[in-house]
Amino acid sequence: NSKVIQTPRYLVKGQGQKAKMRCIPEKGHPVVFWYQQNKNNEFKFLINFQNQEVLQQIDMTEKRFSAECPSNSPCSLEIQSSEAGDSALYLCASSLLGLSYEQYFGPGTRLTVL
Amino acid sequence: GDSVTQTEGLVTLTKGLPVMLNCTYQTTYSPFLFWYVQHLNEAPKLLLKSSTDNKRTEHQGFYATLHKSSSSFHLQKSSVQLSDSALYFCALGTGGYKVVFGSGTRLLVSP
Repeated sequence: NSKVIQTPRYLVKGQGQKAKMRCIPEKGHPVVFWYQQNKNNEFKFLINFQNQEVLQQIDMTEKRFSAECPSNSPCSLEIQSSEAGDSALYLCASSLLGLSYEQYFGPGTRLTVL
Repeated sequence: GDSVTQTEGLVTLTKGLPVMLNCTYQTTYSPFLFWYVQHLNEAPKLLLKSSTDNKRTEHQGFYATLHKSSSSFHLQKSSVQLSDSALYFCALGTGGYKVVFGSGTRLLVSP
């Protein structure tokens, strides 16, 4: 069973407010992914890290979204100014290094922007 | 760019019948394909994975064969159970450790 921990499980924010969520990857996993799962259950890749370094990120995350994976601290994803369209389930996953390795997902943080 | 296509958004079946969920992909890299299952209010979990052409891989009664010639990795089960009701995602591992997910297929199994 996955041991990826995500907090909080639920987050409610007003438009324009900051929203921050955290993820502790599975022990020994150097790669961390963030996804946004919308109400249609579609996955959108946001960003991934190898240890503390960003591997890839989409354009969206370069604007209102920021993420980091500091050494010896939980990874985090922050939305600087929440919009209604940001309402979604944010999933964190971790894996070993290499394309063939499965991702272990956390339970997600469900963000609702009012 | 890399992509994964799942043609069925919803599949409804009666318990005991066989099922096939379609997955095709496009990539310029050597493909690694995955099937993840997500039950209601749970995290996605790996069901199957493969990178070997024409080799069947099986787990928990589900099976799939990667066919590079047709860029497909369809998920099958010979007899579905009520507990198989869930969302199923096909995913493609690509360069840069990025994984591309398909749009998902919801499987509903009725008694």
